[in-house]
Amino acid sequence: GENVEQHPSTLSVQEGDSAVIKCTYSDSASNYFPWYKQELGKRPQLIIDIRSNVGEKKDQRIAVTLNKTAKHFSLHITETQPEDSAVYFCAASIAGVTGGGNKLTFGTGTQLKVEL
Amino acid sequence: ETGVTQTPRHLVMGMTNKKSLKCEQHLGHNAMYWYKQSAKKPLELMFVYSLEERVENNSVPSRFSPECPNSSHLFLHLHTLQPEDSALYLCASSQDARASDSPLHFGNGTRLTVT
Repeated sequence: GENVEQHPSTLSVQEGDSAVIKCTYSDSASNYFPWYKQELGKRPQLIIDIRSNVGEKKDQRIAVTLNKTAKHFSLHITETQPEDSAVYFCAASIAGVTGGGNKLTFGTGTQLKVEL
Repeated sequence: ETGVTQTPRHLVMGMTNKKSLKCEQHLGHNAMYWYKQSAKKPLELMFVYSLEERVENNSVPSRFSPECPNSSHLFLHLHTLQPEDSALYLCASSQDARASDSPLHFGNGTRLTVT
């Protein structure tokens, strides 16, 4: 099965700096890579996703890059703000019409702390 | 305001008790999921229901028994649990059971403590 590794487990940055979280996956058939943000005591929420037909996707201060050859993808947050403090999870799955729902394999999460 | 509601928010139970977790989604989705979230571990997929039919059971012990009576409701029945089952149990739904990249919408979870 798929195995997703995520690094670092904790990350502290100063407000305004950039943060980068990296994930690797094992199954070359995986082609859908979402990122979820979980604030303390709250539910995980999708913040951005990328499919293997593109190498980069941006949404305001957030971007995700994908290297299919190396089987790794990264989340980039620029101009970090205190409200970016949360746990971020990467995930991978094989997208397609299967009828079996979305069976994501998640990474272990990165606790991001943005300090004033 | 979340479209996926879980009850109870917190549950403490002894190893001999029987309890149930409830999940309800108001988003019109047709796939529902149970995930287990433990400290320092990835979110673990337990069960998937697609169009009310169970399509995934990731080697979950039989002391966990899911039930999906309709596309809006999902239950997780618990009996004779072990202390290592203490975790946050998250319910999720996705819009299109046929599309395996349909985004997951999570509930706030039930924090379960087994004593």
